[in-house]
Amino acid sequence: DAKTTQPPSMDCAEGRAANLPCNHSTISGNEYVYWYRQIHSQGPQYIIHGLKNNETNEMASLIITEDRKSSTLILPHATLRDTAVYYCIVRNLLSGGYQKVTFGTGTKLQVIP
Amino acid sequence: ETGVTQSPTHLIKTRGQQVTLRCSSQSGHNTVSWYQQALGQGPQFIFQYYREEENGRGNFPPRFSGLQFPNYSSELNVNALELDDSALYLCASSPQAGGRTDTQYFGPGTRLTVL
Repeated sequence: DAKTTQPPSMDCAEGRAANLPCNHSTISGNEYVYWYRQIHSQGPQYIIHGLKNNETNEMASLIITEDRKSSTLILPHATLRDTAVYYCIVRNLLSGGYQKVTFGTGTKLQVIP
Repeated sequence: ETGVTQSPTHLIKTRGQQVTLRCSSQSGHNTVSWYQQALGQGPQFIFQYYREEENGRGNFPPRFSGLQFPNYSSELNVNALELDDSALYLCASSPQAGGRTDTQYFGPGTRLTVL
């Protein structure tokens, strides 16, 4: 799986959009971009994933650049409960039945009242 | 539909002991993966079970072993516990769809402390 680079920490004012960047310059054509978050030692929570098109669900939006070398997770209206470590991960589409997730160190997002 | 559950939530053991952690996968999921997360680090992949067989393993010694049962629940066993085994142990389940990558859903974890 391709390596990802994320800033170690970010702050966001409550109610504003949180934009979390991720670089994955070595991503290959059959690798998805996944985002998880982990709130204070709970299990990681799946947020969203995409291959090359932008994606949106009830939690967030994922914007992937045209060359797929970077992406941005957008939380449209951050709340205090969004304070967490956010992990950007790339995973091979064809896993051959072997489906590990390789986590990096993530971005610690602090939502400020 | 129930999510992934794990037991116990917390556990304290002493060095050299053995421990068994349990995981029930999400309804409809037949693949279970286990991860170890040390304090301040991201989760590290231990191994994965599919249809009761181990089909992938990370860089962990043989004293880390597992089982998957016909109902797709799973156990993680760790023998000869070491202090460095203190961590949050996470279980994740996913539907297996012919080798395609599927989203993994994580349980709340078991916090193991080795004294």
